[in-house]
Amino acid sequence: EADIYQTPRYLVIGTGKKITLECSQTMGHDKMYWYQQDPGMELHLIHYSYGVNSTEKGDLSSESTVSRIRTEHFPLTLESARPSHTSQYLCASSESNTGERDIQYFGAGTRLSVL
Amino acid sequence: KNQVEQSPQSLIILEGKNCTLQCNYTVSPFSNLRWYKQDTGRGPVSLTIMTFSENTKSNGRYTATLDADTKQSSLHITASQLSDSASYICVVSDRGSTLGRLYFGRGTQLTVWP
Repeated sequence: EADIYQTPRYLVIGTGKKITLECSQTMGHDKMYWYQQDPGMELHLIHYSYGVNSTEKGDLSSESTVSRIRTEHFPLTLESARPSHTSQYLCASSESNTGERDIQYFGAGTRLSVL
Repeated sequence: KNQVEQSPQSLIILEGKNCTLQCNYTVSPFSNLRWYKQDTGRGPVSLTIMTFSENTKSNGRYTATLDADTKQSSLHITASQLSDSASYICVVSDRGSTLGRLYFGRGTQLTVWP
């Protein structure tokens, strides 16, 4: 069982609200990631980080922002939620020194519904 | 275009039976191929990871094969159990960047009936 935690598990909010999805890992991993996944579809990378104060945008354009002030914490923020943001958000982490066998460990996800 | 295609999209089998899931990819250059299991409402969990030089890898009742020449992989599940019901995702990594970019398939939804 991976030591990576996401809160909340489920969130229903109204349009225009600001939200922050939390992700924490206790494995000391340098690399952390945020993915977006719609039902029956593949995961899409929206943000990643190689370490503290390092953040990059992923492949899928996203209106969200992230921060990495501490190694174990990688929160994702939506300043003004819209119905198009309705999706499942998965956080993951991995070690930085395993080369080709860089296994990602995933949290349980946050299912977001914007009304 | 780098892609990962999985088949079948969904599969129903009876408990105790075997099954094989397929993954075809066009990702190049190739670094490794991973199979993940994703239970409903949970995050994916790694089952196997194979590099270019490996053509088979087992994890309990799960056996993955890789043919890097034809760019195909399969995941064989032996003596299925009800707990095997999940989505199985094929993921291919390239060597094009320090990130080792991952390409995800859409998964095969497996249902095991008693």
